[in-house]
Amino acid sequence: VLLQESGPGLVRPSETLSLNCTVSGGSLRTYYWSWVRQSPEKGLEWIGSIYSDGSTIYSPSLKSRVTLSIDSSKNHFSLRLNSVTASDTAVYFCARNAGSGSYYFDSWGRGSRVTVSS
Amino acid sequence: EIVLTQSPATLSLSPGERATLSCRASESISSYLVWYQQKPGQAPRLLIYDTSNRAAGIPARFSGSGSGTDYTLTISSLEPEDSAVYYCQQRNNWSFGPGTKVDIK
Repeated sequence: VLLQESGPGLVRPSETLSLNCTVSGGSLRTYYWSWVRQSPEKGLEWIGSIYSDGSTIYSPSLKSRVTLSIDSSKNHFSLRLNSVTASDTAVYFCARNAGSGSYYFDSWGRGSRVTVSS
Repeated sequence: EIVLTQSPATLSLSPGERATLSCRASESISSYLVWYQQKPGQAPRLLIYDTSNRAAGIPARFSGSGSGTDYTLTISSLEPEDSAVYYCQQRNNWSFGPGTKVDIK
């Protein structure tokens, strides 16, 4: 399975960061799909996960600002992070959880660098 | 909240040597620990899951062990391509450790 992130590389402070992840070579069904970000300051940070039926799990530290959605017909899922600040600057990865209940990730996208700046 | 610490921060070894990387949790994580390898400009790659199970396609020189709060990733005989940063991750809050950088001399 291949994953590919897409979205703007620059977002202004207080606005909403939106990214899509397109999955090819496999179905979204029966897996959790996740977003993980990486910055020099915070390292690797799990953001949240969405199941193929649309149920979600979010990191407590980001829960108030994150929305995940999924469109199985288009084989993609999406991340929205609102009210961004400079501390949200990071490389954002989409990933597949290894199994329906897994906490770890066996397939990753290449990452999308997002900078928050005016 | 469970916090993972990794040591050493950097490990510099020669090809053929044995590398031992440590990951310690602030409380027991019941063997729900994974290891990833990340090379510059790439996504992390799953190496080991649930403490000691190698992921598909991972060479046998990578092995994991541990229990409770203390876990170890061992690379039995380093290859030049093993130069990377290695991260552990646990199940409780899906958090990651800060990483250990392995340099091959």
